[in-house]
Formats: sequence, structure tokens, C-alpha cells
Amino acid sequence: GEDVEQSLFLSVREGDSSVINCTYTDSSSTYLYWYKQEPGAGLQLLTYIFSNMDMKQDQRLTVLLNKKDKHLSLRIADTQTGDSAIYFCAGPNSNSGYALNFGKGTSLLVTP
Amino acid sequence: NAGVTQTPKFQVLKTGQSMTLQCAQDMNHEYMSWYRQDPGMGLRLIHYSVGAGITDQGEVPNGYNVSRSTTEDFPLRLLSAAPSQTSVYFCASSYSQENYEQYFGPGTRLTVT
Repeated sequence: GEDVEQSLFLSVREGDSSVINCTYTDSSSTYLYWYKQEPGAGLQLLTYIFSNMDMKQDQRLTVLLNKKDKHLSLRIADTQTGDSAIYFCAGPNSNSGYALNFGKGTSLLVTP
Repeated sequence: NAGVTQTPKFQVLKTGQSMTLQCAQDMNHEYMSWYRQDPGMGLRLIHYSVGAGITDQGEVPNGYNVSRSTTEDFPLRLLSAAPSQTSVYFCASSYSQENYEQYFGPGTRLTVT
């Protein structure tokens, strides 16, 4: 299975870029994921990256994958107050029927 | 498609009571999972199922039972509720064996007094 670690808090000003970092242990991971959880809601898939990619860009989101260091990051450009949420990094738990191992989540606070 | 649905949204139990949290999906997904979310702990896997009739334990299975009689439904039973089971419970499903993307229900917030 995958152990996933991420920082717990991040505060940025509206309009700045946010970078949320994550490290993982399982070098055989095929996909790595970023989920977003807004207050009182379930988790929504934000984006994912396949392990043979170094970068994936999707509008304001950029995912960077450093396989050598087992480091994954999510960059949000032009961060808005609506981006305030908890962001979870996740990797496959192939021992458990294709469930996911989640990090503890990074709480992003965007201030005006 | 309704996606993944969970009932109830909120529940308060007394210590020792039992109850079942319902989860259903209409996407014909083979893989279903239950997670609990606690502050500062992220999501932890309770039980999972790789198809109808097949279930197995996750990271924190004690105090919970599951069954999977149909592809659509995956209920979670609390046998004798304890305050330590106060949490938010999420059900999730996934389809592809190559991509582990999980679709989550809205959650059940459970309080045990």
C-alpha cells in the first residue's frame, strides 16, 4: 500500500498561487490523485496524474510529479476565495481492492 | 445517474445501540469502499468490496460489519456503537482496474453519546 504525507495548513492571499505538496512511498503507483473537499461536503476528484507523466496542466491547476523523490505537488494559479477547502493527495492501496490511501489533507485558506 | 448515495445524512446514537449506514451506487461499479474521516486523521479505510459477495477488511475494521449482496448496495453496520465511532463516514465506488478514481457519496455524520 501507499503511505501519503502532506502538510496540514496553507494560507495564501487571493490572486496569489498556492502550492500544496505531498510525498508518497509506493514507487509502483500507477495513478496519483488530488481530491478537494469543501466544508460539509464529500470529496471530489480535482485532477490526477499518471505515473509516466512529469506534469499535467488543467486550466488553473498544475500537477508536478517527481518520481525520483516521490514528490507530488498541486499548484493553483490565481487562487480565489472559492478555492478555500481541504485538499487530499491519494495513491492506490492495491492491497485493498483498488481503494485509495489518503494523506491527512491540507487546509487551504484564501484571504481577500 | 444519482451516483453514490448515502443515508442518513446525520445520526445520533447512544452507546451500545446498533445501526446500518446505507450506501448505493447506480454506475455498475464493482469496487466499493467505506472510509471514516476524523479531524487530523484524513480518511481511513474501514471495509471494501471487489464485487457482489466479496468483502474484506481495511485499515480500521473493528466494530463494523459489511455485506455485499448486490452490485449496487454496500451497507455498513455498527454492531454496538461506541463514542470512538463518532465520525463522518464516506462510501465510495470505482470502476476501472487501471484507474483507481473513487466516486464519493455525500457522507453520514454520526455522533455516539
